[in-house]
Amino acid sequence: QQPVQSPQAVILREGEDAVINCSSSKALYSVHWYRQKHGEAPIFLMILLKGGEQKGHDKISASFNEKKQQSSLYLTASQLSYSGTYFCGTFSGGGADGLTFGKGTHLIIQP
Amino acid sequence: AAGVIQSPRHLIKEKRETATLKCYPIPRHDTVYWYQQGPGQDPQFLISFYEKMQSDKGSIPDRFSAQQFSDYHSELNMSSLELGDSALYFCASSLAGYGYTFGSGTRLTVV
Repeated sequence: QQPVQSPQAVILREGEDAVINCSSSKALYSVHWYRQKHGEAPIFLMILLKGGEQKGHDKISASFNEKKQQSSLYLTASQLSYSGTYFCGTFSGGGADGLTFGKGTHLIIQP
Repeated sequence: AAGVIQSPRHLIKEKRETATLKCYPIPRHDTVYWYQQGPGQDPQFLISFYEKMQSDKGSIPDRFSAQQFSDYHSELNMSSLELGDSALYFCASSLAGYGYTFGSGTRLTVV
């Protein structure tokens, strides 16, 4: 079942913060986050496993609420390079099962 | 660092023809995934292989088949092509349960 992402699109000025949400109706084993620029391959950002831990690198971090089957991606002090489409990917199994991606959140950063 | 290599980058085929897409995963990655992405859409999972054995199947049409060879490269074979098969086809590899590294994709145009 496809996870639901919100919002569908966000327009920010450079330096502002953004939060992108991802929720599922199924119990989740893990949540992945990817960023894709137009015509390019998705780039892996991070993976969140069951346990509610928060991960991050640089000014991008994420959390995973296992009870609510929700994950949120936090982008602080956004940079122009953060523009793109953000996808969360989920699966309820483990190992080599394929991820099901949400419909994506389009993020536009303006100078 | 070695990345996921896909070939060809672009492919134009006529309706009802056959196409073969190739993927060379990152060395020592044990899992390969194939995704289809239409314009403005999220990547749709087709099929995955773990240690050369089919692991998981998504929304792959019966006209499509895939396999992974002894050297770990994978091929996606698409027959009786339809206009609706026009899309970007991504291959990704990972260690099972970890983040995916996507190739640059093959853009298939069916005319």
